[in-house]
Amino acid sequence: AQSVSQHNHHVILSEAASLELGCNYSYGGTVNLFWYVQYPGQHLQLLLKYFSGDPLVKGIKGFEAEFIKSKFSFNLRKPSVQWSDTAEYFCAVNERSNDYKLSFGAGTTVTVRA
Amino acid sequence: ETGVTQSPTHLIKTRGQQVTLRCSSQSGHNTVSWYQQALGQGPQFIFQYYREEENGRGNFPPRFSGLQFPNYSSELNVNALELDDSALYLCASSLRVTSNTGELFFGEGSRLTVL
Repeated sequence: AQSVSQHNHHVILSEAASLELGCNYSYGGTVNLFWYVQYPGQHLQLLLKYFSGDPLVKGIKGFEAEFIKSKFSFNLRKPSVQWSDTAEYFCAVNERSNDYKLSFGAGTTVTVRA
Repeated sequence: ETGVTQSPTHLIKTRGQQVTLRCSSQSGHNTVSWYQQALGQGPQFIFQYYREEENGRGNFPPRFSGLQFPNYSSELNVNALELDDSALYLCASSLRVTSNTGELFFGEGSRLTVL
């Protein structure tokens, strides 16, 4: 069965620090990759996605992620975080052949201190 | 706001009871997916409905069932509630084109507590 692992459960940063959240998946076939974010009191929303092409994808609010196929990884990065980036971040994967099911990691809570 | 609305937002049930959760899709979307998010975990796929039929199902027992209506709204029904069913239930709508589910737009969820 496909699984998604997020390396950190909780990350605490100061404003302007750089952020990197790790994500690894277990499926060996062709996949679509996503990062979702949930701000306090809000719904889950898409941060960025990778389907094909350039493995470095850029999303909203200055976030980017790099797909490294050989490492089954899709790490999320932001060079300089803001207090408003405080949220829970979820990595998600689906199989291109059966894309109805999105498999999520357990999430990483990011707290940015002002 | 995504345009996906869920009701009720919170509810409390007792073990053995039945519950129905409702979801209205974003305008123009023809597919609804349901996810269960237990405390401290990521969302787990329950099932997806497309054109009023179940299009795929996760590892959930048959007491979890659903419906999709002609207007693409949906219901999630859970029978014989167990304590472990306590969770946030998320509905996500999307526009399915051929075999591509499309980007998911999530509602804010219905939080179910089973006592």
